Amino acid sequence: GESVGLHLPTLSVQEGDNSIINCAYSNSASDYFIWYKQESGKGPQFIIDIRSNMDKRQGQRVTVLLNKTVKHLSLQIAATQPGDSAVYFCAENQEGTYKYIFGTGTRLKVLA
Amino acid sequence: NAGVTQTPKFQVLKTGQSMTLQCAQDMNHEYMSWYRQDPGMGLRLIHYSVGAGITDQGEVPNGYNVSRSTTEDFPLRLLSAAPSQTSVYFCASSSPRSGNTIYFGEGSWLTVV
Repeated sequence: GESVGLHLPTLSVQEGDNSIINCAYSNSASDYFIWYKQESGKGPQFIIDIRSNMDKRQGQRVTVLLNKTVKHLSLQIAATQPGDSAVYFCAENQEGTYKYIFGTGTRLKVLA
Repeated sequence: NAGVTQTPKFQVLKTGQSMTLQCAQDMNHEYMSWYRQDPGMGLRLIHYSVGAGITDQGEVPNGYNVSRSTTEDFPLRLLSAAPSQTSVYFCASSSPRSGNTIYFGEGSWLTVV
């Protein structure tokens, strides 16, 4: 099942370090954003979301930052663990529409 | 609560064959959709439905048909498989009542030879 994720940018981090994954979104009218984690051979898994009336939202070990001025989204993972190794991608949506735009993703490799 | 369930997980087809990818969700979501995922590209929308009896085309609909006879089920039909349809397919569901977050199935790996 390893057909997805080839040729993606890769971020390698040491176990225990913090990871920052970035995403530039395309539609200035987008007002809802989601980060997904996709492990090899599996479907995308919801991690955290944020709406445009916020610029930061925290979850368990994860934080999403939103900069609407430059259309930039980031995902911060604290104390990165081997189980965090996966492809991470962002999604953007405009409220009231069904359509989502998905990023191509970043592969996170956690080094022991 | 199984979420979004899709079958089969893996399938190999010969060019010209037809098949149906099954998708079911148990979250009572109004919206269901099918995406394909290819290397180096983001998920691309094939077809979607905003409710039973209503379907519409997405970004890459050619070669695929869908129907939505119930809220729970949203099958994707490949009419005459082509090698260009070799991909990973994901079914997804969401609801505006729960923030419109999209939840995905585990994927179907399709190879057309």
